[in-house]
Amino acid sequence: DVQMTQSPSTLSAAVGDRVTITCRASQSVNSWVAWYQQKPGKAPKLLIYKASILESGVPSRFSGLGSGTEFTLTISSLQPDDFATYFCLQYNSDSRTFGHGTKVDI
Amino acid sequence: QLQLQESGPGLVKPSETLSLTCGVSGGSISSFTKYYWGWIRQSPGKALEWIGTIYYDGTTYYNPSLKSRVIMSVDMSRNHFSLTLHSVSAPDTAVYFCARLPYGGYIDYWGQGTLVAVSS
Repeated sequence: DVQMTQSPSTLSAAVGDRVTITCRASQSVNSWVAWYQQKPGKAPKLLIYKASILESGVPSRFSGLGSGTEFTLTISSLQPDDFATYFCLQYNSDSRTFGHGTKVDI
Repeated sequence: QLQLQESGPGLVKPSETLSLTCGVSGGSISSFTKYYWGWIRQSPGKALEWIGTIYYDGTTYYNPSLKSRVIMSVDMSRNHFSLTLHSVSAPDTAVYFCARLPYGGYIDYWGQGTLVAVSS
């Protein structure tokens, strides 16, 4: 299986900060990576798919970059609603795998 | 707005069978011909783990690590799909999520998840 190594595991930030989260794949997954936001007790929410395509309705402060083995999710100006856990998903094969998650807190 | 809702027992005894259902509202499974349906789980302190996917025609893919114990099915008359996991043990304790996958393979909708504990 492809391993997705996500960093950092936790990130302390303030409103207005620019934050970047990284996922590294153990082998190339082309651009088949998605990013999600999860809040406690709620369903995860799709932010980005195919590495850089913003899901409809997601604020433009979220962006994704990368291909091959290295991928990033950036929040350009952190808002109060953005304090949550973020994780990546590779779907290059039927054996999809996830990153461990990054908790963004104050 | 599509909604997915997991349901099933929150406690299962070791060696027994875990059975969960995912109800789909806001659309008919049979109309979503460009989508797959899936199950994912998250054990405490661990990353999310892919369990498997199923198409409305019954075509399945199972995680090789769980394949010998997993069965997924679709019931279009009830507009839900199901997960059966046999011979459970403590490591199967997890929050189980159901999800919808556009044909390309990522997840666009998730259920909220349901906690299933394996304990005697």
